[in-house]
Amino acid sequence: GQNIDQPTEMTATEGAIVQINCTYQTSGFNGLFWYQQHAGEAPTFLSYNVLDGLEEKGRFSSFLSRSKGYSYLLLKELQMKDSASYLCAVRRGMRFGAGTRLTVKP
Amino acid sequence: DTGVSQDPRHKITKRGQNVTFRCDPISEHNRLYWYRQTLGQGPEFLTYFQNEAQLEKSRLLSDRFSAERPKGSFSTLEIQRTEQGDSAMYLCASSLTGELQPQHFGDGTRLSIL
Repeated sequence: GQNIDQPTEMTATEGAIVQINCTYQTSGFNGLFWYQQHAGEAPTFLSYNVLDGLEEKGRFSSFLSRSKGYSYLLLKELQMKDSASYLCAVRRGMRFGAGTRLTVKP
Repeated sequence: DTGVSQDPRHKITKRGQNVTFRCDPISEHNRLYWYRQTLGQGPEFLTYFQNEAQLEKSRLLSDRFSAERPKGSFSTLEIQRTEQGDSAMYLCASSLTGELQPQHFGDGTRLSIL
C-alpha cells in the first residue's frame, strides 16, 4: 500500500521562509513531485526529486531522503501569491498526499 | 501549446444518470491520466493511458467507471448510474512518456449529483 503524509495547514509571514514536510511509505518509488494548487484551480508542477539531496529552483527548493521516506519543500521570500495548497506526490502512477494549505500573512 | 482542456467545466445531474467527460491533452503528450479530487484532499489516481492503451486502473475505480482513448489523442471518462458520492472534481493530466516527466493538468470538470 501507499501512505503519504503532509501537515494539513501552515501559516507564515510575507518575506519569511517556510518548510513543508512530506513523509511517504510506498511499495515502489520512481521519484517525488511537488505541485502547487490555488483554490479552484488545477495543480501546477513545481519540482521533482529522484536522487537524495536538494534541488533548487529560484525561490523554491525540494529535498529528498529515500532511506527515510522524507521530502520537504522550502519556499523562500514568501509572497502573498504563494498562499495555496502544496501537494506532495510519489511517482508510481502518481499518488498524491492530501496537500498542505499554506496561508501567507502580511 | 494550448494546454490540457476539459469539457464540460461543470456538470449537474440527477442520481442514476450517466455522464461523460472529455479531455484533450497537450498534442505531443503520449500519456493521459484521470484523477478525482474532493474538497481538502489531493487528487486521487483513477487510471492512465499510454497512447491508446489503458495501462493502469485504480482498484478504487468501480465498474461504473470506464475510460477510453480510442485514437491515442483525446480521452473520455464515463460514469454510469451516478451516485451522490461521485460528486467531485475530475481532473485530467497529460505528460510525455517517462517517469520523470511532469504532468500538466486541465482545469477539471466539476460534477454535482443532485
